[in-house]
Amino acid sequence: EAGVAQSPRYKIIEKRQSVAFWCNPISGHATLYWYQQILGQGPKLLIQFQNNGVVDDSQLPKDRFSAERLKGVDSTLKIQPAKLEDSAVYLCASSLSQGPYNEQFFGPGTRLTVL
Amino acid sequence: AQSVAQPEDQVNVAEGNPLTVKCTYSVSGNPYLFWYVQYPNRGLQFLLKYITGDNLVKGSYGFEAEFNKSQTSFHLKKPSALVSDSALYFCAVRDMDSNYQLIWGAGTKLIIKP
Repeated sequence: EAGVAQSPRYKIIEKRQSVAFWCNPISGHATLYWYQQILGQGPKLLIQFQNNGVVDDSQLPKDRFSAERLKGVDSTLKIQPAKLEDSAVYLCASSLSQGPYNEQFFGPGTRLTVL
Repeated sequence: AQSVAQPEDQVNVAEGNPLTVKCTYSVSGNPYLFWYVQYPNRGLQFLLKYITGDNLVKGSYGFEAEFNKSQTSFHLKKPSALVSDSALYFCAVRDMDSNYQLIWGAGTKLIIKP
């Protein structure tokens, strides 16, 4: 079974530039999550999708971050414009459904450095 | 408010010795508890979970965890540590008050010395 795919693995940009990350979840997984992980901390949920609908985006900085999952499969997360404090690893995860007992499967992450 | 505490930033264990990584939680409802491991430059990998039933849960790579409701703990254990177990370990909990979102601990770095 193929895992969660993410690209790119690494990205370096200047502040105020824009950047986009892509995620392909495990086939058949209805729920998709984007997390931000700052070095030395646990992941912070940015947004959760159930199929192509948003379940929770309460911690997404909507003035600069956006995400979509148009066909209920792949997803993209965009930052525009980037700030220095956005430097982090962005993790995508998926699960069969949003039930509380389902574990999440994570991709390798994208390490973003904002200069 | 819901929370997860991993009281040790780092745990050092000699190879072959038993290891314990501690986790305590605070939720108002019934907890669903998870352990994940993160190797350098890789994403998080699921190790095990407690949903209900037997308090001792067995997971991947020989790890197990014991759910203790009275002490609100879910410590991760392994009888004999391997150097390859060296990684960052995260405990997480979800309950209905968090809208079933995962609440994560800060992580514990496990170092296994040969």
